[in-house]
Amino acid sequence: EDKVVQSPLSLVVHEGDTVTLNCSYEVTNFRSLLWYKQEKKAPTFLFMLTSSGIEKKSGRLSSILDKKELFSILNITATQTGDSAVYLCAPAGGTSYGKLTFGQGTILTVHP
Amino acid sequence: DTGVSQDPRHKITKRGQNVTFRCDPISEHNRLYWYRQTLGQGPEFLTYFQNEAQLEKSRLLSDRFSAERPKGSFSTLEIQRTEQGDSAMYLCASSLRTGWNTEAFFGQGTRLTVV
Repeated sequence: EDKVVQSPLSLVVHEGDTVTLNCSYEVTNFRSLLWYKQEKKAPTFLFMLTSSGIEKKSGRLSSILDKKELFSILNITATQTGDSAVYLCAPAGGTSYGKLTFGQGTILTVHP
Repeated sequence: DTGVSQDPRHKITKRGQNVTFRCDPISEHNRLYWYRQTLGQGPEFLTYFQNEAQLEKSRLLSDRFSAERPKGSFSTLEIQRTEQGDSAMYLCASSLRTGWNTEAFFGQGTRLTVV
């Protein structure tokens, strides 16, 4: 059965701190890994990673994938209160290659 | 609005009743996903379609759940004989399959409460 584990489950930091969120996975027919941010509504797309070792960046967020060790990390630098959310990772794979399996998420709380 | 649209946004039903939800994906997207999410958990995969074909269905999905995408555009998810444990947010997402990789975008969800 496909499995995704995120850590830590929750994290509390102050504005300006840097955080690293982890995602390890075991999925059949792995194709890519997606990161989402979820506030009090539906998840919004952040990144899609397909190749190992290539960092993707968007402003203060960056992410990298290690397909050999089966994990990904999401870094957020200079955190702001608006970064407070649940961060979800979802590898794509499965029997038909396109299924997204989500982890439980990491709850990030950024205090002023 | 050109995003994924779900209807209704909220549904309250009595235990034992049937409910049906609708999802309209982004117009050119050929993949459509259904997920269920409860408080404190990540979205749980239910099923997904590529065009009108249902490619994969969760083994956790009971026979009370059925989904269709008859013309490869909108999709419906029906839950028969609802139970209190069905109370959750039902999320729909769509993507455009290009090669093996896919970015999926979510709708705002339908919140189901079974009383």
